[in-house]
Parts: sequence; C-alpha cells; structure tokens
Amino acid sequence: QKEVEQNSGPLSVPEGAIASLNCTYSDRGSQSFFWYRQYSGKSPELIMSIYSNGDKEDGRFTAQLNKASQYVSLLIRDSQPSDSATYLCAVNRNTGKLIFGQGTTLQVKP
Amino acid sequence: DTGVSQDPRHKITKRGQNVTFRCDPISEHNRLYWYRQTLGQGPEFLTYFQNEAQLEKSRLLSDRFSAERPKGSFSTLEIQRTEQGDSAMYLCAGRLGDTDTQYFGPGTRLTVL
Repeated sequence: QKEVEQNSGPLSVPEGAIASLNCTYSDRGSQSFFWYRQYSGKSPELIMSIYSNGDKEDGRFTAQLNKASQYVSLLIRDSQPSDSATYLCAVNRNTGKLIFGQGTTLQVKP
Repeated sequence: DTGVSQDPRHKITKRGQNVTFRCDPISEHNRLYWYRQTLGQGPEFLTYFQNEAQLEKSRLLSDRFSAERPKGSFSTLEIQRTEQGDSAMYLCAGRLGDTDTQYFGPGTRLTVL
C-alpha cells in the first residue's frame, strides 16, 4: 500500500462544473496536508494547505480533511480550461518531508 | 514567484559523467529540501537541510549522490557516474521558518543518454 494514494485519472469535467479530487493516506500520525498543482513540464505550485478536520475555502478551491477516514479532497468550483493540470496531494510527516501521491490529471473541456 | 531558483534548468549528459545542480532559496528558507520526480509520478524526497546541517537522507540517495548546503544558503546536489535511471526532474523546495509549507523552484530536468 502506498503511503499517499490518488487516482491517476484523467478526470474529465466540462467547463463550469465542479471537479472533485481525492486522496487517501496511510499514516495516522500525519499532521498537515497540501494540494499542489503541476502543469506539464513545470514544478509543483502550492494551492492549499489544511491542518484541521473540516473544510477550508480559498476562492474557487475548497480543501476537505477527514482524519478519522484518512481522507483529503480538493474541490474546484466553476472549473476553467486553465485548471487542466496534474493535482498532487502531499502529506507532511513530523520530520518535515512531504510524501506525495502520484497525482490526478484533470482535464477541463470547453 | 516562490523565490527559489535552480540552475541549470536543463542538463543533458552522457552516462558515466558527473553533474551538479544548484538551488538558491530565499534567505528566510531555513529548511531546504531536494526531491526527484520521474514521469507520471509524484516527487520523491531525497534529502533536506536545516540551515547547513543535512538532517535526513532517503534510501533513494545512493552513494553516487551527494548534497551540500555550505553556510546555510544555496545548496548543491551532485550525481557521480550518472546512469540512465537518474533521468528525472530534480526539484528543490524552501520552507519558511516554523511553517510547514514548502515552495518549489522551477526544477532541473536531467537527461542521461
């Protein structure tokens, strides 16, 4: 079992729809959670961080954390073609290093 | 702009050659991390520094790999006797103070022929 698991996709949604990206992790001791966006050939760009159970909203993005279920998700409202990218879920151990999932490719179709 | 720069952005080398990459974080990044990313995978942790001290190394970091962060500023990652399996994107990330958040540089794409 991988420490951080994501469905590789591709996830295809029409423009204007809600995209839902999911991530599960295995280490219950994980403290903080991150979503990064990565365009092809580029480096990861931080979208959101979340530390507590519940929802955290930032513009069109909402991160959700459920530590009991070891589950993190990212919702993107009003999806735009420019949101087409790979979304990486990352979990922070106490040592500070990030453990990444393999990423989910999102395609937003005009 | 994350304030983290990496050089070179691309490197093509022949198998068996040595290569060195450089990462320049901003001065507030007391922690500096190196990751490696291959196609279709998420980044994998290699090593990190707290100021000039190298505090953790992954098992991925074989004897051919060495990293330094002299004076706690820029960092270098050297790969000796490169192999085709070393072809990847090498990413550097800086972390501000006591926060958990890491900001990535643009990466160095290595191709070993």
